[in-house]
Amino acid sequence: QVQLVQSGAEVRKPGASVKVSCKGSGYTFSSYAMHWVRQAPGQRLEWMGWINAGNGDTKYSQKFQGRVTITRDTSASTVSMELSSLRSEDTAVYYCARNNVGTSFFDYWGQGTLVTVSS
Amino acid sequence: QSALTQPASVSGSPGQSITISCTGTSSDVGSYNFVSWYQQHPGKVPKLMTYEVNKRPSGVSNRFSGSKSGNTASLTISGLQAEDEADYYCCSYAGSSGYVFGTGTKVTVL
Repeated sequence: QVQLVQSGAEVRKPGASVKVSCKGSGYTFSSYAMHWVRQAPGQRLEWMGWINAGNGDTKYSQKFQGRVTITRDTSASTVSMELSSLRSEDTAVYYCARNNVGTSFFDYWGQGTLVTVSS
Repeated sequence: QSALTQPASVSGSPGQSITISCTGTSSDVGSYNFVSWYQQHPGKVPKLMTYEVNKRPSGVSNRFSGSKSGNTASLTISGLQAEDEADYYCCSYAGSSGYVFGTGTKVTVL
């Protein structure tokens, strides 16, 4: 069965960076794309960007351009999302979500990783 | 890219039908039949309910149906049940801007 397992909760100070990982299993990793979506406490879902796990192509939301980097390690079936220059408004649950390249929806989601930014 | 606009809340009695709207622009909802809907119970992971406007994944009840007209997409839940009480988010492909989610709608079963 398809599973996306994310790394554990993180606490960072303002100005620092955080890297969250997402390991896929139960499917052909390189045949899919992985997206990152975040949700601040009590707020809506917000799309951050994605990576084609096959060829490594990336695309980022303009809001996060310059602060977010998404990478993949095909040997480990893992995608990572690094967010830099953290501020308190970045406190949120970060989700990875799978997408079949060429389609437009997210069929499987990771369990979410809480990132807390606090001095 | 601004969020798609959804009503903050919609309510209905068990057995009734409700419809949630999702209004975007000609750059997202209006240009692509790539609208999906997600259900999220409190503290849980979002779940795909419909995709490509009106398709349903395997395992999702046929009480959930999607549609679109112009820049507005809709999700209709028929035969409302207590377990349908949750937050619902629409999402649209937006071309070079990537993807955009809606503001979210809280569905309450009275």
